Amino acid sequence: EAQVTQNPRYLITVTGKKLTVTCSQNMNHEYMSWYRQDPGLGLRQIYYSMNVEVTDKGDVPEGYKVSRKEKRNFPLILESPSPNQTSLYFCASSPPDRWHGYTFGSGTRLTVV
Amino acid sequence: DAKTTQPNSMESNEEEPVHLPCNHSTISGTDYIHWYRQLPSQGPEYVIHGLTSNVNNRMASLAIAEDRKSSTLILHRATLRDAAVYYCIRHNNDMRFGAGTRLTVKP
Repeated sequence: EAQVTQNPRYLITVTGKKLTVTCSQNMNHEYMSWYRQDPGLGLRQIYYSMNVEVTDKGDVPEGYKVSRKEKRNFPLILESPSPNQTSLYFCASSPPDRWHGYTFGSGTRLTVV
Repeated sequence: DAKTTQPNSMESNEEEPVHLPCNHSTISGTDYIHWYRQLPSQGPEYVIHGLTSNVNNRMASLAIAEDRKSSTLILHRATLRDAAVYYCIRHNNDMRFGAGTRLTVKP
């Protein structure tokens, strides 16, 4: 089944403890992206990647890092999480053209205390 | 900047058609119009997209104005399972989500 898999689904962590949220897709998509969703603010893009070794900042990149060493994986790294990064995170992937839609993962609910 | 404008919320009765409007008056000639929906506790789900012509698929229809400055997502017979937030997006090598329209379907 074609899908985007995020792990973990739920995570509670403490301020300053580095964490990684993994994202993997099995559709050979070039494009991958991370979003965060907060009440009243909708979905905001954090980082995106057009292909392997190519990443760019989205609208809210501060406090996050990403890497794209392989086509299928696009992990989101929080080096020193803070409470304002408590949010619902979504990973998405798509082919590189505007004709195709995005496939989203099921989300990761992160709480930083 | 999502660059699309949608009503915050709409209501519909079950089994009646629903027309969800979207304004994208600054759309460029190469932007595709995409629609997604997000059911409670789930990730966004692709619904339909188009460029200039009206489009139909098993989920919905998309009517695009001749000047492309607006579009309408049409759900022909709303069901309770269609209650969701619907997002209209200009796809130009990247996608920015706005607040979307929260659709409530009443039995």
